[in-house]
Amino acid sequence: DAKTTQPPSMDCAEGRAANLPCNHSTISGNEYVYWYRQIHSQGPQYIIHGLKNNETNEMASLIITEDRKSSTLILPHATLRDTAVYYCIVDPGGGADGLTFGKGTHLIIQP
Amino acid sequence: DVKVTQSSRYLVKRTGEKVFLECVQDMDHENMFWYRQDPGLGLRLIYFSYDVKMKEKGDIPEGYSVSREKKERFSLILESASTNQTSMYLCASSSLVGTGDEKLFFGSGTQLSVL
Repeated sequence: DAKTTQPPSMDCAEGRAANLPCNHSTISGNEYVYWYRQIHSQGPQYIIHGLKNNETNEMASLIITEDRKSSTLILPHATLRDTAVYYCIVDPGGGADGLTFGKGTHLIIQP
Repeated sequence: DVKVTQSSRYLVKRTGEKVFLECVQDMDHENMFWYRQDPGLGLRLIYFSYDVKMKEKGDIPEGYSVSREKKERFSLILESASTNQTSMYLCASSSLVGTGDEKLFFGSGTQLSVL
């Protein structure tokens, strides 16, 4: 059974905020939420992760609901280079024994 | 910048050949991983390693073996390549911290075609 549910695809206009949702209703108390992205023909790239609190770094913001059953990745000012597949992953250890990648959301930034 | 380097970007081999895919990381990471990625199937974990000479099977180890003689190097071996092993192979590494703050760093991938 999939641990996360993401829409298969989304569009966003260049310069606007891209908000990518993820449902993880069966998340355990010790599991973190991780986001990675994969630009075409490249390996996945770590974006951000969090446990309970909202997080922000130079790439994105992560908003986790209070019940931790869903989260949203926010790219504040999307550019064409943000077109990629975005993966939401829940895991207790960050990948010490490998992360399980689902199908992700294909985000297309429109000029 | 941290770096995971895979020896070849594209590789073409014949059925039955022995194939070595090499991966080197310069971050002194304990953990290293091999994934394959196929359209519609996503990334699937083949093998991983916690330490030198240690290896663990992932979700799809059949037809593959691995070698980790040095901390920085993790090799994936296809003993007798078959056409169903045509795929994109991705190597990754991470530090063994156990706090949840670990991040996977991926190489650029090797597109292997077995003819």
